[in-house]
Amino acid sequence: EVQLVESGGGLVQPGGSLRLSCAASGFTLNDYWMHWVRRVPGKGLVWVSRMNGDGKTINYADSVKGRFTISRDNAKNTVYLQMNSLRAEDTAIYYCARDLAAAAGPALESWGQGTLVTVSS
Amino acid sequence: QSALTQPASVSGSPGQSITISCTGTTSDVGAFDYVSWYQQHPGKAPKLIIYDVHNRPSGVSSRFSGSKSGNTASLTISGLQAEDEADYYCSSRTTSATLRFGGGTKLTVL
Repeated sequence: EVQLVESGGGLVQPGGSLRLSCAASGFTLNDYWMHWVRRVPGKGLVWVSRMNGDGKTINYADSVKGRFTISRDNAKNTVYLQMNSLRAEDTAIYYCARDLAAAAGPALESWGQGTLVTVSS
Repeated sequence: QSALTQPASVSGSPGQSITISCTGTTSDVGAFDYVSWYQQHPGKAPKLIIYDVHNRPSGVSSRFSGSKSGNTASLTISGLQAEDEADYYCSSRTTSATLRFGGGTKLTVL
């Protein structure tokens, strides 16, 4: 069974840093594109970043480019999101998600339960 | 990066059909046949229900169907059921190799 479990969320002051982890099980991480998506409570989904299976192709939303870094450790079957220079508007539930292998384009088939990041003084 | 445009809310009675639109630009929806749709119930993770405009993942009801014309994609739910009440989001790959979501549509089953 495919499972994604996020951790690392919490309360951080503006300008601070957090590293989110997404532990994957039930599949081989390096066979899939992996994404981070966030949802501000009461608002919609916003895509954050993605990385392909070998880690050589990475994309970011403009709103986080230069501040967030996606990475993966295939040996640990874990994806990370390093978040620096955090702002109040980064407050959200952060989900990691796995692409559907059968899809030609991005299609987020499996999702974790999310981890809450709150940026506040 | 503006979100794709979806109606804030739609509603329908059990057994009826509803359609949710998702309007983008030539830089996203109009550029590729890579539109996906997601269903999200309160407190739950999103669920993929349509990918590549009109394909359904295994296990998703045939009551859900997708289409696209130009810069606008659509999700149709036929035979509305109470459990369909949820938030629905479209997404599309962009010409910048990023992903863009719609603002979300709240479906109410009357």
